Amino acid sequence: NAGVTQTPKFRVLKTGQSMTLLCAQDMNHEYMYWYRQDPGMGLRLIHYSVGEGTTAKGEVPDGYNVSRLKKQNFLLGLESAAPSQTSVYFCASSWITGSNQPQHFGDGTRLSIL
Amino acid sequence: DAKTTQPNSMESNEEEPVHLPCNHSTISGTDYIHWYRQLPSQGPEYVIHGLTSNVNNRMASLAIAEDRKSSTLILHRATLRDAAVYYCILYPSYAGGTSYGKLTFGQGTILTVHP
Repeated sequence: NAGVTQTPKFRVLKTGQSMTLLCAQDMNHEYMYWYRQDPGMGLRLIHYSVGEGTTAKGEVPDGYNVSRLKKQNFLLGLESAAPSQTSVYFCASSWITGSNQPQHFGDGTRLSIL
Repeated sequence: DAKTTQPNSMESNEEEPVHLPCNHSTISGTDYIHWYRQLPSQGPEYVIHGLTSNVNNRMASLAIAEDRKSSTLILHRATLRDAAVYYCILYPSYAGGTSYGKLTFGQGTILTVHP
């Protein structure tokens, strides 16, 4: 079972470049999330989606955009990358969000911005 | 949002039980208690969750205090593969609002397992 797949796994960018991180899930989950994790810290929510065609801001949304055109995919975009966006990015999904629904995470995308 | 407090680190020997504590004195009546763990270079992995009663699954047990202000994750026989950062998270149960569906990760407890 693939679960949650993130593409790419590693990437190095120069300041000002743009890129898109792809998250794909094969569990038919309604909810999807993007988090970032900085060294020694827990995860922080960037954006999330409660269904196809919908997105919402999380805790740290500035500098990022997202799209959910298909239920199984959730894209995270950096329009003009900055060194402060160097981080590990995790995507997650859940069936129907609620307190008894665990989130399933991908293995992360390690992004360095020079 | 209600917060959790966990020790920064704990150590255990292989094949011994491990009790990971979590304090959440400001928990609301409808907050679920979730535990996730994160192995090195991997994404977080769901471990267990509960509301009021103790819970068991194939990975661990969750003991919840009667007043719900604390909980303990129990690994019955630690293995080297259990070395990870363990996060105790309060998951709001209500729909709508800014906390809906969001996991708020703290620093977690770094568990070291010695052979």
